Amino acid sequence: AQKVTQAQTEISVVEKEDVTLDCVYETRDTTYYLFWYKQPPSGELVFLIRRNSFDEQNEISGRYSWNFQKSTSSFNFTITASQVVDSAVYFCALSEASGGSNYKLTFGKGTLLTVNP
Amino acid sequence: DTAVSQTPKYLVTQMGNDKSIKCEQNLGHDTMYWYKQDSKKFLKIMFSYNNKELIINETVPNRFSPKSPDKAHLNLHINSLELGDSAVYFCASSLRTSGRPEQFFGPGTRLTVL
Repeated sequence: AQKVTQAQTEISVVEKEDVTLDCVYETRDTTYYLFWYKQPPSGELVFLIRRNSFDEQNEISGRYSWNFQKSTSSFNFTITASQVVDSAVYFCALSEASGGSNYKLTFGKGTLLTVNP
Repeated sequence: DTAVSQTPKYLVTQMGNDKSIKCEQNLGHDTMYWYKQDSKKFLKIMFSYNNKELIINETVPNRFSPKSPDKAHLNLHINSLELGDSAVYFCASSLRTSGRPEQFFGPGTRLTVL
């Protein structure tokens, strides 16, 4: 069975602070995918990034960076120099590639990030 | 040029009624999904269709019946609505054969059962 844990329920920071959102996953598959989604107050779900299990390279996109470590089953997300517009609920998700799971997403419970001016 | 669209955006109805939510994607994807987001923001898969065939049914009550008339559409019909059905329902799609399994979500339908 697959499971995603986001231990941080809520985080509050002041603008320009760096913040890291933690994600720990469990899976028995050797091939799987990890994702981050953003849900701003307007409610839509926005895809941010996908990582394949066989690719442990970290990634940076502007102020966003992701640290994937298979050894600790973690896929953490860092926002550098946070801005008020980063305020949202962030979801980490996992999908397994094998069997009949058809890439269903298993989500963590989300982390509510509030960036204060 | 909306990628995944859902109608209606809001749905308020009485217990016991039957309602439908429609979903359409214009991304050329072959797989579509329904997710339910509860009041605590928890997102859970309900159904998945690949090329109009049901692939996943995650122990959803049979009052919920998805229908996929073609690859671009996946509708959700709910019979005998209950208070516990109040939630936000998200449709999503992906292209399974692309090697890019990320799913793109519609704007959600907020269902309120009174």
